[in-house]
Amino acid sequence: GAVVSQHPSRVICKSGTSVKIECRSLDFQATTMFWYRQFPKKSLMLMATSNEGSKATYEQGVEKDKFLINHASLTLSTLTVTSAHPEDSSFYICSARSYRGDTEAFFGQGTRLTVV
Amino acid sequence: GQNIDQPTEMTATEGAIVQINCTYQTSGFNGLFWYQQHAGEAPTFLSYNVLDGLEEKGRFSSFLSRSKGYSYLLLKELQMKDSASYLCATMDSNYQLIWGAGTKLIIKP
Repeated sequence: GAVVSQHPSRVICKSGTSVKIECRSLDFQATTMFWYRQFPKKSLMLMATSNEGSKATYEQGVEKDKFLINHASLTLSTLTVTSAHPEDSSFYICSARSYRGDTEAFFGQGTRLTVV
Repeated sequence: GQNIDQPTEMTATEGAIVQINCTYQTSGFNGLFWYQQHAGEAPTFLSYNVLDGLEEKGRFSSFLSRSKGYSYLLLKELQMKDSASYLCATMDSNYQLIWGAGTKLIIKP
């Protein structure tokens, strides 16, 4: 299957700083990328959907000014957690769907963010 | 509304067979997915059903009944490495994935 690379896999940052997470589709062009957040023993919570070249669509309750999403190219989307707080500590996962309209979404490896 | 139900946890014995059920109610339907997720890792794709019936792939099979809003994932010849969470997800009319909470499968020797 297609490969989606997410980086970093783990990051620890200080409260008040910003963290950027990258999601790259390595062998296909992704017109749509999804960003999820997952709490322990919980299912995936969709945060936002990003389409290449346009603004991301955020789910209700997700602060767009806090979670900045940029989908500048067909192979790269970034999520920046701004002014991070301990409650932002979580597992963040991206997934990508190809421009061919494949129904399957391919997942990145996930990023474990810990804010101290 | 949209809702997906699956059991929270199941326990099975190594070498045995286990069936994980999933019922759903979604606005529009463009298929149902099963993903496996080991602790601390991202989900990995197992199966996709959009038509009624059984899809078999090695030790894993997935069944769908659209009229009943029901699916199951069948795992045969269980191995210890199958211990994981199994997530059921449907794709709605906007091609968005709606996720179930996952079923934690515990395999005992």
